[in-house]
Amino acid sequence: GAGVSQSPSNKVTEKGKDVELRCDPISGHTALYWYRQSLGQGLEFLIYFQGNSAPDKSGLPSDRFSAERTGGSVSTLTIQRTQQEDSAVYLCASSFTGGGYTFGSGTRLTVV
Amino acid sequence: QKEVEQNSGPLSVPEGAIASLNCTYSDRGSQSFFWYRQYSGKSPELIMFIYSNGDKEDGRFTAQLNKASQYVSLLIRDSQPSDSATYLCAVKGGLNSGYSTLTFGKGTMLLVSP
Repeated sequence: GAGVSQSPSNKVTEKGKDVELRCDPISGHTALYWYRQSLGQGLEFLIYFQGNSAPDKSGLPSDRFSAERTGGSVSTLTIQRTQQEDSAVYLCASSFTGGGYTFGSGTRLTVV
Repeated sequence: QKEVEQNSGPLSVPEGAIASLNCTYSDRGSQSFFWYRQYSGKSPELIMFIYSNGDKEDGRFTAQLNKASQYVSLLIRDSQPSDSATYLCAVKGGLNSGYSTLTFGKGTMLLVSP
């Protein structure tokens, strides 16, 4: 596609439920990143995929968070047993190796 | 010590003036530097990147890098109300930030008044 596509754009979930967030990167971009942005806060790195290499998971805040990237393209970020502090905008970005990121429009997650 | 620091602002300038946005970073090994613009409720969009010391110009925007001082700046000439947004500085390539990922500052809010 022409840009990075994320779905859903908004998600409201009950505390304790699992959620899945999807990211479809720009075709040909080998790198894919997940960040989150809380109100008034900066962008927090979560996880990075590069080609077929093992992902860099160093930013995942707890073992409730996981992500996968299938076929080097679409990625899914899963949050298990959601907590209120997980409420944030989850941003996906993709790039060529070494390039600047192109961000998707984000998924606004609200845990009630 | 925060890895990428920016004044949160807001920085207020009148239309037509030069806006100067500043950023410092802690990891001396950082290799590349990016400026993103983020409108309220939107995702960040890339404005410029710079790798080498000195100035890099693109239209009304100039990025300046001084690696010795660990300082990056963005100048916006002839500021327009449509430039009102939060500007994010991001750094890549240092050991602390991960060689392939961007570390972002919290951003400076710019307000351009007509």
